[in-house]
Amino acid sequence: DQQVKQNSPSLSVQEGRISILNCDYTNSMFDYFLWYKKYPAEGPTFLISISSIKDKNEDGRFTVFLNKSAKHLSLHIVPSQPGDSAVYFCAARRSTDKLIFGTGTRLQVFP
Amino acid sequence: DVKVTQSSRYLVKRTGEKVFLECVQDMDHENMFWYRQDPGLGLRLIYFSYDVKMKEKGDIPEGYSVSREKKERFSLILESASTNQTSMYLCASTTGGVQETQYFGPGTRLLVL
Repeated sequence: DQQVKQNSPSLSVQEGRISILNCDYTNSMFDYFLWYKKYPAEGPTFLISISSIKDKNEDGRFTVFLNKSAKHLSLHIVPSQPGDSAVYFCAARRSTDKLIFGTGTRLQVFP
Repeated sequence: DVKVTQSSRYLVKRTGEKVFLECVQDMDHENMFWYRQDPGLGLRLIYFSYDVKMKEKGDIPEGYSVSREKKERFSLILESASTNQTSMYLCASTTGGVQETQYFGPGTRLLVL
């Protein structure tokens, strides 16, 4: 049972435009959400997170939005750059339980 | 900066071999994790450990075991490697706590022939 889902396996965006990566979850008890970025042959690196008490968190070009009623999370990257091309994983957790990861979305930013 | 290192970046083993994957972190983290990453399946948790000599099964523990004799070191063992264990293996560590983030090693790409 996939509790965290990323329904788009890939996304292609032109440099300078907005990238929107989506994530849905089923467990309403999740209270902390994270996005990780992964380049080929490297481990994932933490990108941005959001607590369930917020609906938005921003860090530079990256913004995460949380819609608890829809159980939906999104990551916006503005403007997109070629170096953003990577696989993005969303993850969720309830309290101090283990993280549950989504299946990943491969973002390609082309010139 | 937190550093998580894994003993090998690439490994090629034969079916039936015993395989050891080692992970070391240098930040005195209590919690350590082993995941495997496969296309279309994301990161799946194999085993984790919240303390020395302590281990708990993750979502896919079958065919694997782990060892944590020291706080900084967490080993993943494939007792008898099989071709379906060909994958990218990722180790992670974290301090624990409500708003923790996990720090990952560079990964070991294992090919079982």
